[in-house]
Amino acid sequence: SQTIHQWPATLVQPVGSPLSLECTVEGTSNPNLYWYRQAAGRGLQLLFYSVGIGQISSEVPQNLSASRPQDRQFILSSKKLLLSDSGFYLCAWSVLVRGGYTFGSGTRLTVV
Amino acid sequence: QKEVEQDPGPLSVPEGAIVSLNCTYSNSAFQYFMWYRQYSRKGPELLMYTYSSGNKEDGRFTAQVDKSSKYISLFIRDSQPSDSATYLCAMSAGNNDMRFGAGTRLTVKP
Repeated sequence: SQTIHQWPATLVQPVGSPLSLECTVEGTSNPNLYWYRQAAGRGLQLLFYSVGIGQISSEVPQNLSASRPQDRQFILSSKKLLLSDSGFYLCAWSVLVRGGYTFGSGTRLTVV
Repeated sequence: QKEVEQDPGPLSVPEGAIVSLNCTYSNSAFQYFMWYRQYSRKGPELLMYTYSSGNKEDGRFTAQVDKSSKYISLFIRDSQPSDSATYLCAMSAGNNDMRFGAGTRLTVKP
């Protein structure tokens, strides 16, 4: 069966520090991969998606970047965190592009 | 106007009640409609997935889509305390363009 792993679960980082969040998927090949951010009381905001190795699409220009070095690995990064980067970050995967995503358990990031 | 509107609640009901959750949307290109359930501090999990207009039933859950009104609903029958969670509607035109509502927080009291 397919599983998705996301870590760490919680993270507290100072302003200006770098960030690296990792997501891996097992049990499927060539998945579509997504990074979302969820702010309190707000819906999920799509940050990046990838349909293949090295292929990254950005939805919202901001202080973050994503990379897909392997088929089932998706990394969210930042060189210098801002206070506004705080939030709940979710990785997801799907086989089809029309929805029905499977989400990871999320990383709660607090920038202080 | 937001692309997807969802009343954030909170909504509190007694155990056994029928719950109705709703979303409206503005993009007529949306064809795929989903409901996710999210427990506190967890990732969302897919509950219902429907295509175009119509109804879909799965156990105590029924999803309805009315594309002419740009309105979707999720009904929960015989609600249980374990149904207490935030429910997110989501929709897509079919090309990595899924959009989510803000979520409705539901509490089912024993």
